[in-house]
Amino acid sequence: AAGVIQSPRHLIKEKRETATLKCYPIPRHDTVYWYQQGPGQDPQFLISFYEKMQSDKGSIPDRFSAQQFSDYHSELNMSSLELGDSALYFCASSSLGAGLMNTEAFFGQGTRLTVV
Amino acid sequence: DQQVKQNSPSLSVQEGRISILNCDYTNSMFDYFLWYKKYPAEGPTFLISISSIKDKNEDGRFTVFLNKSAKHLSLHIVPSQPGDSAVYFCAASATTNTGNQFYFGTGTSLTVIP
Repeated sequence: AAGVIQSPRHLIKEKRETATLKCYPIPRHDTVYWYQQGPGQDPQFLISFYEKMQSDKGSIPDRFSAQQFSDYHSELNMSSLELGDSALYFCASSSLGAGLMNTEAFFGQGTRLTVV
Repeated sequence: DQQVKQNSPSLSVQEGRISILNCDYTNSMFDYFLWYKKYPAEGPTFLISISSIKDKNEDGRFTVFLNKSAKHLSLHIVPSQPGDSAVYFCAASATTNTGNQFYFGTGTSLTVIP
């Protein structure tokens, strides 16, 4: 079965550079979540989108922005990168569908961003 | 403030025995709970979930128990196998009109000793 695809898997950037992470949700999933997991830390929720609209916002820095496109894929744009942005970035997708039933979120394998 | 807490950072269990991983939450609006398993350098993998209208959900060797009054859930793995060694995250979500946000615990590292 198709899973959540994240690209790239690994990314090395220098301080003050810009990075773009991409997430392709499971087909027919309408909701995308972005999480940041620093070394030895639990995943921190950044932002989510439902039907291409931002649905929730967590601890996302102002230097970061994200959007969900018409094909439901999402991109996380990170500017003025700092050393502290080095982390594993996970994307997850789920399907809220027509009913407001809860459903599990499926995660991608993550993008490991290293800022040097 | 952490809304989902896993107070045991690590747990070691002998192969064949029961592993019990605990999770506490503070938000009474949470209505769906999930457990994820994570291997190093991989994304979390969904394991099992439970709705707040239930108190138990079983899937093979994995059973999740929910105690709403205590705001506590636990994951039981019986029997434990070495391949179960991983970090287990507890997550909770609350339904809103525009989507769900998943809140994660800090994880419990399970080591199953052969």
